[in-house]
Formats: sequence, structure tokens, C-alpha cells
Amino acid sequence: SQQGEEDPQALSIQEGENATMNCSYKTSINNLQWYRQNSGRGLVHLILIRSNEREKHSGRLRVTLDTSKKSSSLLITASRAADTASYFCATDAKGGYNKLIFGAGTRLAVHP
Amino acid sequence: KAGVTQTPRYLIKTRGQQVTLSCSPISGHRSVSWYQQTPGQGLQFLFEYFSETQRNKGNFPGRFSGRQFSNSRSEMNVSTLELGDSALYLCASSLASASGGTGELFFGEGSRLTVL
Repeated sequence: SQQGEEDPQALSIQEGENATMNCSYKTSINNLQWYRQNSGRGLVHLILIRSNEREKHSGRLRVTLDTSKKSSSLLITASRAADTASYFCATDAKGGYNKLIFGAGTRLAVHP
Repeated sequence: KAGVTQTPRYLIKTRGQQVTLSCSPISGHRSVSWYQQTPGQGLQFLFEYFSETQRNKGNFPGRFSGRQFSNSRSEMNVSTLELGDSALYLCASSLASASGGTGELFFGEGSRLTVL
């Protein structure tokens, strides 16, 4: 079973609005990552946040991590139509080798 | 720098056949991992190879196998195909070290397998 659970499953917004996606996980982690996938394509790494970090920024992306609640959020500010994609959180298994456990993903649609 | 290359991009097979998928990692990356993506089960880890050794394996039947060559290129094989094996198979490479851990993965575009 997947460790990460994301909500919402789908999100529809207008260009210029902010988009927030949430992710919860079940076991302790070393790090949590967010990936983006355009329809039927490969995944693209967005950001990695380590278990001892609480917040991280990259351009229009802001990720938070709350290890006490086993949850993370991804905020995309000033969304663009090109941000339309599915977004996945992924956690690593402690002691694992590049074994990522992915959430079900959030489908984001940004309308012009 | 060239990205991760997967071949073939699309293929159609019938039940009972076998299939081999290929993955060329980014130059210098020694770790290659494979994931299966289906609408029902989402993204699931298949296995990971580092320097020709399988270091980690997901919860898939023995029909799913893989290997890695000395140049880090990897192949995965699925024997006795079933309808449920229809999926997008994604390969990812990384600069993982021998000591383990998980960092940023670089994914290929995937091989979309349809089993009829």
C-alpha cells in the first residue's frame, strides 16, 4: 500500500491563484520529495526537504514539513496554465536504496 | 547532459508473452531504479540496482526481473505477461552512493506497455 496520501485528489484554479496540495505519510522518513508529472510523461523532481527541515523554497514553490504530524504541503504561488500537471509527494524508506513511496497524487488544472 | 532514455516508448504484447524494457541512465549515475505506474495502484517501486547489484526489491512477483550492466544501463523483463501488467514503466537514475540513502531521482519518459 502507498505510504503517502494526498489531498485534494483534484484541484482546479484560475491563473494567478495559489495552489496548495497536502501529503500525509505513515512511517518515519529521512526526506520527502515532490515530483510533477505532465500527462503520461516522466516525473520531474521539484524539491526535496529533509526530516530536520521545516520549510523550503524554490522559485514559486514553498514546501513545509511537519514530522510530528507526518504531513507536508506544497504551495505553488501565482499559478500559470503551464503548471497544469499531477503532483506527487514521495517519501523514502529508512534504510532503503532509492526506494520512494509515492502518494496517489493531486491533479492540478490551472485555467487561463 | 543527456537525460534518462527509455526504449521502447510504446509496445503492445499479448498475454503469455514476455517483454524487455531498456533504460540508459544519465552519464555518471550508477543507481537505476524502476517503477510501475497504473491508474489503480499508482506509482509502485519495482527494484533498484547499483553497480550491477540489486539492492532493493518491491513487492512484485518473480515474473518481474531486472539487471544492470557494467555501463550502468539497465533492463527489466516481465515474463508470462498478464492483462494487469499493462502500465507505464518508469526508470530513474540518481547519483546514489554505495552507502545508500535516497536523493533526487531523474526519470525517463517511460515505456507504455499494453497487454492484450
